Amino acid sequence: GQNIDQPTEMTATEGAIVQINCTYQTSGFNGLFWYQQHAGEAPTFLSYNVLDGLEEKGRFSSFLSRSKGYSYLLLKELQMKDSASYLCAVRFPGGYNKLIFGAGTRLAVHP
Amino acid sequence: GAVVSQHPSWVICKSGTSVKIECRSLDFQATTMFWYRQFPKQSLMLMATSNEGSKATYEQGVEKDKFLINHASLTLSTLTVTSAHPEDSSFYICSALSTGALTDTQYFGPGTRLTVL
Repeated sequence: GQNIDQPTEMTATEGAIVQINCTYQTSGFNGLFWYQQHAGEAPTFLSYNVLDGLEEKGRFSSFLSRSKGYSYLLLKELQMKDSASYLCAVRFPGGYNKLIFGAGTRLAVHP
Repeated sequence: GAVVSQHPSWVICKSGTSVKIECRSLDFQATTMFWYRQFPKQSLMLMATSNEGSKATYEQGVEKDKFLINHASLTLSTLTVTSAHPEDSSFYICSALSTGALTDTQYFGPGTRLTVL
């Protein structure tokens, strides 16, 4: 089977930094995506990694280590609006590049 | 750019009826679209991959005769839930695959909440 694991819930303080981890054991790999999803809404694309290392986009950064089957999403200067679920997804090679999602991490940002 | 719409945003129907959900890519063409369902506080589960001009590819355990998918054009895919039952109540989300310079990315529609009475 395919396993993509994330912590279920995290809390953090406004203005702080939080790191959301994702580990995966899958039969294939062609990139890892992070999406943000607010309650009752569709996921929105945050970042993509296919090679090892850190990708930075403003307040958000994502890291990948393929040898360890590990990724993290780093959120800096947290804002209240960052309270949402963060979904880690592995893309499978070949065919239509389908994504398999982890269960998501619900992040609550407090004042 | 990369906007995906879904219609309707919510629907309530009686058990035994069929419901059609539309997914449109508004500003790009999508050869491939995906259909997911999501239960409360759970992640997205891929149901099927929809390909323009060919038959959809269903994930294991998804009944293709119950969830009919039609991808008739490069901007429209439809999901029809046939003979819906209360256990089909869920949040259905589509995505469209956009080809980019660096990678292909799935962009999601706003979802359709289906309630079957």
